[in-house]
Amino acid sequence: GAVVSQHPSWVICKSGTSVKIECRSLDFQATTMFWYRQFPKQSLMLMATSNEGSKATYEQGVEKDKFLINHASLTLSTLTVTSAHPEDSSFYICSAPSSGRSPNQVAFFGQGTRLTVV
Amino acid sequence: DAKTTQPPSMDCAEGRAANLPCNHSTISGNEYVYWYRQIHSQGPQYIIHGLKNNETNEMASLIITEDRKSSTLILPHATLRDTAVYYCIVRVPSGYSTLTFGKGTMLLVSP
Repeated sequence: GAVVSQHPSWVICKSGTSVKIECRSLDFQATTMFWYRQFPKQSLMLMATSNEGSKATYEQGVEKDKFLINHASLTLSTLTVTSAHPEDSSFYICSAPSSGRSPNQVAFFGQGTRLTVV
Repeated sequence: DAKTTQPPSMDCAEGRAANLPCNHSTISGNEYVYWYRQIHSQGPQYIIHGLKNNETNEMASLIITEDRKSSTLILPHATLRDTAVYYCIVRVPSGYSTLTFGKGTMLLVSP
């Protein structure tokens, strides 16, 4: 299937610093990508929808000034966690729909980024 | 999206078939059934999806009941690497809409 790659796989940062996470679609173009967050022993929760060439849309309760999303090209979306705090420690996962027509178009996921804020 | 109900956990012996059930009694006529799995500390992996006919690919088979109110994912010969949380999701097939993940079924494959 289609490949979505995230970088880094894990990161440890100090409280108050910013961290950038990259999500790339390696063999297809994605005008839309999705960012999820997963806390331990919980399911994935959608944070925001990243749109190439326009502003991201955020889910209720997600601070857009804290979680900056930039969809710079058809193959790259970035999530920057600004002024990170320990409560931002989580598993961040991106997703992109494959190319092709519905109903054969499916969502593929990156391998996730484990963020630990100390 | 229609709600799904899955057992929280299941066990399976290595080499045996794993049959994971999912109830989706409120599924709409245009909603498909999707299955994903998440191995610990990895992103979800797409497995299979279908509308009403049974589907099979290299990973698994999907059996959907005639009334479409339930389905079963079958891993024909489970291996230790199939240990994961399996999510059943029903939704209209559009890559541009999000997936809503429930709690899924934790499948433990043992030697």
